[in-house]
Amino acid sequence: AQKITQTQPGMFVQEKEAVTLDCTYDTSDQSYGLFWYKQPSSGEMIFLIYQGSYDEQNATEGRYSLNFQKARKSANLVISASQLGDSAMYFCAMSPRSNDYKLSFGAGTTVTVRA
Amino acid sequence: GAGVSQSPSNKVTEKGKDVELRCDPISGHTALYWYRQSLGQGLEFLIYFQGNSAPDKSGLPSDRFSAERTGGSVSTLTIQRTQQEDSAVYLCASRVSGGAGETQYFGPGTRLLVL
Repeated sequence: AQKITQTQPGMFVQEKEAVTLDCTYDTSDQSYGLFWYKQPSSGEMIFLIYQGSYDEQNATEGRYSLNFQKARKSANLVISASQLGDSAMYFCAMSPRSNDYKLSFGAGTTVTVRA
Repeated sequence: GAGVSQSPSNKVTEKGKDVELRCDPISGHTALYWYRQSLGQGLEFLIYFQGNSAPDKSGLPSDRFSAERTGGSVSTLTIQRTQQEDSAVYLCASRVSGGAGETQYFGPGTRLLVL
């Protein structure tokens, strides 16, 4: 079984600044994927970034980067140059690289970007 | 291309009634997932389809819940004799099968309210 922990229920960030969202995980699987999703108030889950457990380099996608520290079992999301449209709930998730790849999610972090 | 679509977007029903929720995955995605998002339980896996088969139904909360998928495409989640605790957002996601296709893409969800 997998467990995902997001310890920050809510965060405020100033527009144009960077913000780091924490995520730690626990799994007995050797091979797995880590994901971050954004859920704005509209409710849709938007895929942001993916990191495979065997990827040596940290994933980056535009203003999003994933700080992957395998030994510490952490997969923090960094959003650079925050924009007002970044205000949303952010979920960390993982799936084992097995037949079903089903996702386990953390509780989420609400980010509010201030002008 | 078109993303995952779900219908209805909102559903209000009375306790004891049956409801059907529909998911239309991204074309070519053979894997399909249902998740439930509720205030008390966060995001939970319900069921996984590979093609028309459901090898993992472990997340279905009771025998009132069932799902099917036909033609390797559209899936229907049915809740019989709805209860108030079934009120939640039901999210569908799809994924390309194979090692390179781990990322699940979500639909906008169906918001179910049981009165």
